[in-house]
Amino acid sequence: KAGVTQTPRYLIKTRGQQVTLSCSPISGHRSVSWYQQTPGQGLQFLFEYFSETQRNKGNFPGRFSGRQFSNSRSEMNVSTLELGDSALYLCASSLGGYSNQPQHFGDGTRLSIL
Amino acid sequence: DQQVKQNSPSLSVQEGRISILNCDYTNSMFDYFLWYKKYPAEGPTFLISISSIKDKNEDGRFTVFLNKSAKHLSLHIVPSQPGDSAVYFCAASASGGNTPLVFGKGTRLSVIA
Repeated sequence: KAGVTQTPRYLIKTRGQQVTLSCSPISGHRSVSWYQQTPGQGLQFLFEYFSETQRNKGNFPGRFSGRQFSNSRSEMNVSTLELGDSALYLCASSLGGYSNQPQHFGDGTRLSIL
Repeated sequence: DQQVKQNSPSLSVQEGRISILNCDYTNSMFDYFLWYKKYPAEGPTFLISISSIKDKNEDGRFTVFLNKSAKHLSLHIVPSQPGDSAVYFCAASASGGNTPLVFGKGTRLSVIA
């Protein structure tokens, strides 16, 4: 069974640019969550999408946005990039129903801002 | 305000011995807890979970214990193997897992041969 796939794996951008990251969840999973991991920090929750609707949102500025498509694939967009946005961005998928189901992570996109 | 705390940034254990990783939480609404393992350049891998209706869950060499009154959980790895060397994250959520996971900052486990 294929896992969560994130593309691209690495990305280098400059300040002020925008970027779009992609996530394909495990087949049958309807929930997709995005996290940011920076050095020395745990995983900080960005947002969660379920059936194309944003269900939960973390405490990040509006420059961070996302969407989910009808096939459950998700994209995350960051506009007007800042140096502090350099991080590993992780996507996780789960069945998403009202039950205790673990989230399964992709290998992440490492974003570097110059 | 850190709702999930892993107070030991690192831990070293001899191969074959028990590894005990600890995690404390402050939010009494948390009712679903998970442990993840992360190798460099890979995403976190789900290890084991426990819901608040239980106080212990086992899966092979991995056992998670939950002490709700102390708001404390621990992961036991027995016996420890060199391949277990990784960063371990504790995570928690409320409402049976239907709210965002809150992660600790991780504990780096080194298993020495």
